[in-house]
Amino acid sequence: EPEVTQTPSHQVTQMGQEVILRCVPISNHLYFYWYRQILGQKVEFLVSFYNNEISEKSEIFDDQFSVERPDGSNFTLKIRSTKLEDSAMYFCASSELELPTNTGELFFGEGSRLTVL
Amino acid sequence: AQSVTQLDSQVPVFEEAPVELRCNYSSSVSVYLFWYVQYPNQGLQLLLKYLSGSTLVKGINGFEAEFNKSQTSFHLRKPSVHISDTAEYFCAVSRRGSQGNLIFGKGTKLSVKP
Repeated sequence: EPEVTQTPSHQVTQMGQEVILRCVPISNHLYFYWYRQILGQKVEFLVSFYNNEISEKSEIFDDQFSVERPDGSNFTLKIRSTKLEDSAMYFCASSELELPTNTGELFFGEGSRLTVL
Repeated sequence: AQSVTQLDSQVPVFEEAPVELRCNYSSSVSVYLFWYVQYPNQGLQLLLKYLSGSTLVKGINGFEAEFNKSQTSFHLRKPSVHISDTAEYFCAVSRRGSQGNLIFGKGTKLSVKP
């Protein structure tokens, strides 16, 4: 069964360093997303991406964050200068069809745990 | 703005017992409703969703949920749970017209004991 894969599964970084989290969405999907979950808190929407541009983003997704689809398979989240409060589990997701007016659903990866020291 | 409240952070039950995981939402606009499950060390997986039509929706693994507009609830139920249902369950809403911007509850950890 096709799945969304994320790397790394866990990354530890120093405050102020740049981090890139990588995702390989399901191959025929057109919409891509990043969510995050700070320990003990809710899963929060960060950004959605379609046709090589951001279609929607939350207040969390400030100038420190960027997303890119550098080739036909990868979808990346970059955090330019990490802060302690960026420590979280980051989930990538993809969907085939436009949500949510049809049977399309979000398929999530297993997450990348980011620890900022 | 939308918000989701899952009243129970943890629900312990015995195998073969029925279970209900509660979810309430608030929104000033029409929403779609979802339940996701997260098994240990795995990603979030869609259990079921309500988009329109019948208020009782059936999902995978024998789960069902009922949309109650007057009570703004979308409780998840299963008549008889298995050990394998042990997982964290997340209720989520999205505003109609929003592309994948799901608002999640804090999750409910279901622990099924033998």
